[in-house]
Amino acid sequence: SQTIHQWPATLVQPVGSPLSLECTVEGTSNPNLYWYRQAAGRGLQLLFYSVGIGQISSEVPQNLSASRPQDRQFILSSKKLLLSDSGFYLCAWKKFSGANVLTFGAGSRLTVL
Amino acid sequence: DQQVKQNSPSLSVQEGRISILNCDYTNSMFDYFLWYKKYPAEGPTFLISISSIKDKNEDGRFTVFLNKSAKHLSLHIVPSQPGDSAVYFCAAKYTGSARQLTFGSGTQLTVLP
Repeated sequence: SQTIHQWPATLVQPVGSPLSLECTVEGTSNPNLYWYRQAAGRGLQLLFYSVGIGQISSEVPQNLSASRPQDRQFILSSKKLLLSDSGFYLCAWKKFSGANVLTFGAGSRLTVL
Repeated sequence: DQQVKQNSPSLSVQEGRISILNCDYTNSMFDYFLWYKKYPAEGPTFLISISSIKDKNEDGRFTVFLNKSAKHLSLHIVPSQPGDSAVYFCAAKYTGSARQLTFGSGTQLTVLP
C-alpha cells in the first residue's frame, strides 16, 4: 500500500532563516506531487505541483520554492522566511494526472517569529 | 478569484440530526467534485466524491448532491455523530486541468452531544 511521509511535523523559525520541509511517498512510482498551505482561518491554497523529477509548477508568486530531486521526494524550501509564511503545510500525491483523489500527508506546522 | 466557495465558516448540529454543508462553484468546466474532512493538526482525508454526470452519490451516512444548473453541491451527514466534528472542504477539478484540485475555504462542523 502507498504511504506519504512529511516532516518535520512542527517547526518554529525566526524571520530571515531558511526552511526545508520534506515529503516522500512510498509504494508507488511516478506520482504527481503537491504542496498546499492552509493559513489560519483560510482554505487550502495550492503552492506547487510536480508531474515528474525536476518538473515544478508554481501556482502563486511567493517566498517559497520547491524541488523534486527524486521520483518520490518533494521538498519545499525558502532562503529567508517571512512572518507571512507561517501556516500549515500539506504535501499530497496522486497516482497520475487523470486521477481524481489526492492523498495528503499529516502536515507540517510552521511558525515564523 | 475564488472559484469554489463555502460561505458558511461554521455549523453546529445536534447529535443524531442531519448536517448539511454547502458549496458553490463558478467554473462551469468543473466536472468532478470531492469532499474532504480534516481534523486539527492532521492532513485532510478523502470522504466522498461525485462526477458531473450524476446528481447524487451515497456512501453510508454521507450523501453528496450536485445541482449543475445552480453550480451548487451539498454534503449531507445523517445521523450526525460527535466524531464528525471537523473541518469539511469541498474541492473541484476539470478534465482539462487534471493536475490539481481547487478547494473551498472549509466549514467547521461541530456536532453537539
